[in-house]
Amino acid sequence: GAVVSQHPSWVICKSGTSVKIECRSLDFQATTMFWYRQFPKQSLMLMATSNEGSKATYEQGVEKDKFLINHASLTLSTLTVTSAHPEDSSFYICSARLSGEGGSPLHFGNGTRLTVT
Amino acid sequence: AQTVTQSQPEMSVQEAETVTLSCTYDTSESDYYLFWYKQPPSRQMILVIRQEAYKQQNATENRFSVNFQKAAKSFSLKISDSQLGDAAMYFCAYRRLTGNTPLVFGKGTRLSVIA
Repeated sequence: GAVVSQHPSWVICKSGTSVKIECRSLDFQATTMFWYRQFPKQSLMLMATSNEGSKATYEQGVEKDKFLINHASLTLSTLTVTSAHPEDSSFYICSARLSGEGGSPLHFGNGTRLTVT
Repeated sequence: AQTVTQSQPEMSVQEAETVTLSCTYDTSESDYYLFWYKQPPSRQMILVIRQEAYKQQNATENRFSVNFQKAAKSFSLKISDSQLGDAAMYFCAYRRLTGNTPLVFGKGTRLSVIA
C-alpha cells in the first residue's frame, strides 16, 4: 500500500518550453502532497505544499509563477515548470502521507529528472 | 524552524561490519517524528526506520536500529552486518507531530560498503 507514482521519470526539453510532471497516489487519497527538488549530491529541498482544492503553499525563494502546482483531485497533483531554463534542470520528487499510518512517514514517487537544453 | 544536521558527508564500512550514522536536530517541540531514508543510485527514497519521539524505546528494523537520545536531540542510525546493497545516501528527517506537514531533511551521508 501507499504507492506514489510520478511521471515522467525523465524529460528533456528546450529552453523556453513548459513541462508538466504528474504525481499520483495510487491506492490512497492524499489531500496534501509535497514537492521537493534535489540538486546533484545535495539533499531534498521542499518547494511547495500542494493542497487539494486550494492554492499551493510555496517555500521562500520558490517562484510560484514559474512552478505551477495544481491539485485538482485527491489522487493527483501536477507541477508545471513554465518557460524552463537550464538552471531549472534538476531532480523533482513528489511525496504524500497516508493518513493514519503509524509514524506518519512520507511516501515518495520515483522522481523526475528534468534536463533543459 | 526545525533543522536537521548530519555531520558526516561520507562514511565507509567493511562488508559484514557495523556502522553508525549520526544525526542531530533542533526543535522546540516535545512531540515529533524522526526518520531515516535511504536513497540508492536509482534515487528512489526508501524509508528505513521511523521513531516517534514520545516512545522511549529505540526503533529496530532487522539490521537497522536507532539510538534516540531525546534530551540530546540525537538520532543515530546503526547498520549491523553491512551488505553491499546498503551502499547509498542516507537522509535523516524530522516531521512535526501535528498537521499535514512535510519532512525536513539533513544534508545526507553517503555510505560506501567495501567488499
